[in-house]
Amino acid sequence: DAGITQSPRHKVTETGTPVTLRCHQTENHRYMYWYRQDPGHGLRLIHYSYGVKDTDKGEVSDGYSVSRSKTEDFLLTLESATSSQTSVYFCAISEWDRVYEQYFGPGTRLTVT
Amino acid sequence: LAKTTQPISMDSYEGQEVNITCSHNNIATNDYITWYQQFPSQGPRFIIQGYKTKVTNEVASLFIPADRKSSTLSLPRVSLSDTAVYYCLVGTPSNFGNEKLTFGTGTRLTIIP
Repeated sequence: DAGITQSPRHKVTETGTPVTLRCHQTENHRYMYWYRQDPGHGLRLIHYSYGVKDTDKGEVSDGYSVSRSKTEDFLLTLESATSSQTSVYFCAISEWDRVYEQYFGPGTRLTVT
Repeated sequence: LAKTTQPISMDSYEGQEVNITCSHNNIATNDYITWYQQFPSQGPRFIIQGYKTKVTNEVASLFIPADRKSSTLSLPRVSLSDTAVYYCLVGTPSNFGNEKLTFGTGTRLTIIP
C-alpha cells in the first residue's frame, strides 16, 4: 500500500471551532488531494495540490482552506466548522502524469456537533 | 470530463463472473477509462485503466469496444470479499487541468453466498 497517513482518524468538534486535518505521504508524489464522502454523494473533491505551495479548488471548496509547505504534507483546514461539514475526509496522492491513478489514505471521520 | 453512467447496484452469487458496464458516450480521443473499488470504511483503490480493446491484471479485466462509448469491468469468480462500490471514471490522465476527478456514486456490488 502507498505510504499515506491521515491524522486524526476520528474527531468530534463543536460548531464554530477551527479544525485542521493532516495528510502525510512517503511516496514523494507531486499531486495531493482532499475529498469528502457523504451518503448519496459519492466522493467530492475539495482542494488539490500540484506542488509545494501550489493548490487549486475542487468541486466543494467553500468553507475549506489548504496548505502545502513541503512535498509530504497537505493540510486541510475548516476555519469555522459547521454541521454540514460532518463527513469522512480522504486524502489521496498521485504522480503528475498519472492523475487518474490515485492512492487513498485511510480517511478521517469528522463529526461537528 | 466525460459523463459516465453505471448501474446503481448489482447482486451476484459467489463463484460467478460479474460484469459492470459503464456508459460514456462523449468520451474524448485522449480519454482513458479508469475503475476504482471501495470497501466500506476505506478509501477507493485503483483497479485498472485502459484506452481500447482489453486490459487484464491480477484483479480484473477491462473490455472496451472499438467505439469506446462504453466499457465493461469484469471480475472473475467473485467471492464475498468483492462486495464493494465500483467507480468508473473517464478523462485524460496527464493533462494539467484534468486533475478534478468526478467519482459519482458508483455501482454497489453485493456478493451473495
